[in-house]
Amino acid sequence: DTAVSQTPKYLVTQMGNDKSIKCEQNLGHDTMYWYKQDSKKFLKIMFSYNNKELIINETVPNRFSPKSPDKAHLNLHINSLELGDSAVYFCASSQERAGGHYEQYFGPGTRLTVT
Amino acid sequence: QKEVEQNSGPLSVPEGAIASLNCTYSDRGSQSFFWYRQYSGKSPELIMFIYSNGDKEDGRFTAQLNKASQYVSLLIRDSQPSDSATYLCAAFNDYKLSFGAGTTVTVRA
Repeated sequence: DTAVSQTPKYLVTQMGNDKSIKCEQNLGHDTMYWYKQDSKKFLKIMFSYNNKELIINETVPNRFSPKSPDKAHLNLHINSLELGDSAVYFCASSQERAGGHYEQYFGPGTRLTVT
Repeated sequence: QKEVEQNSGPLSVPEGAIASLNCTYSDRGSQSFFWYRQYSGKSPELIMFIYSNGDKEDGRFTAQLNKASQYVSLLIRDSQPSDSATYLCAAFNDYKLSFGAGTTVTVRA
């Protein structure tokens, strides 16, 4: 009964490869997110989708492409991986509450290591 | 200037003491504020949120918000070794959650 799940949990790959990370939430939330947490543990938003529509697209290299086939799923595809892409990637979801407030819940994370 | 700044750690407190965590934010449009706890190697876990000025208590945790001062704090009473973690402050505006760098708390038994 995991609320927000991600696969894979660990991903080790070589520079130049293309990889995907998948995220699913069973909370019935309308909004999903991708965050990157670097080696200094700083958590930064990358993308957000609301009902399959892209609403946040931070300054992220266009090698990163999110895709939301439906509001319960948000995938992240990364082309031509670079050493600097090594990080932990977290998926999150949220639902609007009364007053326009959102509580975000995070998945377990995917640790990506590029060699 | 970072959007959300937290007091630099690490913060070490004895078991049973109060741990006090502070956070300031720069975006006056921020609507709500969150405290997440993150254990090493784990994902952030929501422990408190607040969106009105004043105090909000939940068990051993109390969040305080002062929008005029753009200041948010978290108090952890009767600190336990299990509270040892990194605490992340976040401000929400326009669908976006901006995080501080986190404060690492160690509770000494």
